[in-house]
Amino acid sequence: EVQLVESGGGLVKPGGSLTLSCAASGFILSSYTMNWVRQAPGRGLEWVSSISGGGTYIYDADSVRGRFTISRDNAEKSVYLEMNSLRVEDSAVYYCARSYCSGGNCYDALSVWGQGTLVTVSS
Amino acid sequence: QLVLTQSPSASASLGASVKLTCTLSSGRSSYGIAWHQQQPEKGPRYLMSLNSDGSHSKGDGIPDRFSGSSSGAERHLTISNLQAEDEGDYYCQTWGTGIRVVFGGGTKLTVL
Repeated sequence: EVQLVESGGGLVKPGGSLTLSCAASGFILSSYTMNWVRQAPGRGLEWVSSISGGGTYIYDADSVRGRFTISRDNAEKSVYLEMNSLRVEDSAVYYCARSYCSGGNCYDALSVWGQGTLVTVSS
Repeated sequence: QLVLTQSPSASASLGASVKLTCTLSSGRSSYGIAWHQQQPEKGPRYLMSLNSDGSHSKGDGIPDRFSGSSSGAERHLTISNLQAEDEGDYYCQTWGTGIRVVFGGGTKLTVL
């Protein structure tokens, strides 16, 4: 079964740091671009960051660039989001999501989602 | 700029059909999109990818009641024979170079 399981969320003070993990199972992680998406309470979905299958290409939203770093360890079947200089407005449920790829046809439709992990930034 | 526009809300009666619309910004009518469902207090669920010609590829286990269509810059999600569990938020999503992923603002669907 294809599955993504996030962990690492919690309560952190403004200016603090936190690293989220996404454990992948049921597929070959290196074959897929992976993404982090967040959702603040009562708000819509917001893309955060993407990383290509081999880790060569990384893209970040303007709102997190310079503060958040996406990475991956395909051997460990995991994707990470290191979050620094956290702000109150970074409080959200953070989802790990897999881009679509089938038979060599690959594009960034997010076709597999994790259950999310809650990050709360508050003093 | 790549932008997706959705109506904030929609409603329809149990057993009826509803058509949700996602509109691509000017000059982007060739883009494909994805539709996602988010039931209350749950994470998002991928429904389908939808191309500009209306062809679509549904996710595993998505009922036949869910279908997609396209017209110009508009991408539609039609839900037939509405069920109570269809209530929730529906997001369209697309992708492009540079900024990889873009979401619409979402449509809150109420089943009456």
